[in-house]
Amino acid sequence: DAKTTQPTSMDCAEGRAANLPCNHSTISGNEYVYWYRQIHSQGPQYIIHGLKNNETNEMASLIITEDRKSSTLILPHATLRDTAVYYCIVSGGNEKLTFGTGTRLTIIP
Amino acid sequence: DTEVTQTPKHLVMGMTNKKSLKCEQHMGHRAMYWYKQKAKKPPELMFVYSYEKLSINESVPSRFSPECPNSSLLNLHLHALQPEDSALYLCASSHLGLAEVNEQFFGPGTRLTVL
Repeated sequence: DAKTTQPTSMDCAEGRAANLPCNHSTISGNEYVYWYRQIHSQGPQYIIHGLKNNETNEMASLIITEDRKSSTLILPHATLRDTAVYYCIVSGGNEKLTFGTGTRLTIIP
Repeated sequence: DTEVTQTPKHLVMGMTNKKSLKCEQHMGHRAMYWYKQKAKKPPELMFVYSYEKLSINESVPSRFSPECPNSSLLNLHLHALQPEDSALYLCASSHLGLAEVNEQFFGPGTRLTVL
């Protein structure tokens, strides 16, 4: 599975959009981009995934660049409950999820 | 029911004890996973079961012994652990057969302390 690079930490004001970047320059054609988050003292939670098209669900939007070498997770109206570690993972669907160090997102009141 | 449950929530054990962690899901998922997470680190995959058969063992020491008695249950048997095995142990499950959808549902974890 390809490796990912994310900023260690980010802050975002409550109510604003949180944009979390992820680089995955070695992604291969059959690999998907997944985003999970882990709120303190809880298990990770699936957020969204995509292959090459932009995706949106009730939690977030995922923007994948045309060359697929990077992506951005967007939380449109961040709340204090969105404070968590966000993991960007690239996986070919072989049941393995390899978590990187993630981005610690802090929502500021 | 979209929940993965894990018991116990907390466990303290000595290095000579034998204990078991339990995980249960009723979502019809046929893949189940054990992860280990040390403090301030990401989860690390330990084992994967597919259709109740062990499909991935990430070179985990034999003092950790997984068991999948049926499609809803996953156990992790612990014996002769070391203090460095203290961690949060996470269980997860997912559908099989949908190669693109590696959406894993995680339980809340068991926080293990080895004295």
